Amino acid sequence: DVKVTQSSRYLVKRTGEKVFLECVQDMDHENMFWYRQDPGLGLRLIYFSYDVKMKEKGDIPEGYSVSREKKERFSLILESASTNQTSMYLCASSLFGDTQYFGPGTRLTVL
Amino acid sequence: KQEVTQIPAALSVPEGENLVLNCSFTDSAIYNLQWFRQDPGKGLTSLLLIQSSQREQTSGRLNASLDKSSGRSTLYIAASQPGDSATYLCALNNAGNMLTFGGGTRLMVKP
Repeated sequence: DVKVTQSSRYLVKRTGEKVFLECVQDMDHENMFWYRQDPGLGLRLIYFSYDVKMKEKGDIPEGYSVSREKKERFSLILESASTNQTSMYLCASSLFGDTQYFGPGTRLTVL
Repeated sequence: KQEVTQIPAALSVPEGENLVLNCSFTDSAIYNLQWFRQDPGKGLTSLLLIQSSQREQTSGRLNASLDKSSGRSTLYIAASQPGDSATYLCALNNAGNMLTFGGGTRLMVKP
């Protein structure tokens, strides 16, 4: 079974803090993705990575950065958290052209 | 740019009923189409993936069809059960990696 894990289920941070969200997959997938999900706006892609140290911007990259130093791990970084980044964050991984496997999500609240 | 629409946004049916969820898309040059299930506060679970060259896929009580010429896909759920209550999302893969999601249909199956 493919397993995608995320470092926290719930996270509360203050405005201006630097926030790290970690995602790990155990299936040697080359592709990894970060989405955010908001009511009424659906799932939107923030960043995606197709190989170690490679990344591409998604639909809403502003205010975020990513890091992929190892194939199994993909980190999402909020350099200076703001209240409008309060959201559910979902990580996924896949092989090229195959189904995406999602983690359980991290619900981030920025106060 | 691909746009994906799911109608209805919410659906309530009695247990045992057969039902159809709809997904429409604007760009038929797709790589594949996927259906996901999401339980409240959780990540997404992959249900079915239909490749561009396929017309349908089946898994247990679920059957998904794809009609590229009309820009439509349907997810058929036979003999619905209360445990089927969840949000169902369709997603289009246009270029092999990134997905465009519909807004989802929230299904409630009443005992």
